[in-house]
Amino acid sequence: EIVLTQSPGTLSLSPGERATLSCRASQSVRSTYLAWYQQKPGQSPRLLIYGVSNRAAGIPDRFSGSGSGTDFSLTISRLEPEDFAVYYCQHYDTSPRLTFGGGTKVEI
Amino acid sequence: QLQLQESGPGLVKPSETLSLTCTVSGGSISISNYYWGWIRQSPGKDLEWIGTIYKSGDIRYNPSLMSRVSISVDTSKKQFSLKLSSVTAADMAVYFCVSDQYNSSWYKYWGQGTLVTVSS
Repeated sequence: EIVLTQSPGTLSLSPGERATLSCRASQSVRSTYLAWYQQKPGQSPRLLIYGVSNRAAGIPDRFSGSGSGTDFSLTISRLEPEDFAVYYCQHYDTSPRLTFGGGTKVEI
Repeated sequence: QLQLQESGPGLVKPSETLSLTCTVSGGSISISNYYWGWIRQSPGKDLEWIGTIYKSGDIRYNPSLMSRVSISVDTSKKQFSLKLSSVTAADMAVYFCVSDQYNSSWYKYWGQGTLVTVSS
């Protein structure tokens, strides 16, 4: 089973700053199957990025994903007030099995 | 735009069976049009995949839950369901029904979630 470790646990930033979130896999994974979600309090997760770097429909271009192998990242180029939330990475393998990272909270 | 809504008891006794239903609107619930699934989120906020109904009709479960879980679909009612037997306090979570049109690797559509508490 692949384990996804996200860091940092909490990221304290100000609006307008750049945020870089990390997701590390316990073994090399197929990039095609790596996604990122945003979750705000009291809401369900929202798909942001799929296939490592593809933005889901309606997602602003300040969100970008990158990485390969075991190291992946989500970057928010300029934080907007509505971006303060918890972010999860997720991997799919062909067992099949979906696994999620523990999340990174982006706070003001 | 597909919309999903979970329903079911918010309180289940230990050792009993948790039963939830997801009602679909805004799209076709034909098995061949979408992937359907369940994901839960513990009080500590960890997300856990429960299972997926594939477009082929095949159903796959998280190995850690496989012995206790069953997912089914009723296209005539535009619903799909989750049953989890022999629940314990560890099964207390917010349960989300999810869907995606193009693949089972990630999910675009999520229900709002329903909290299930396990307590006698």
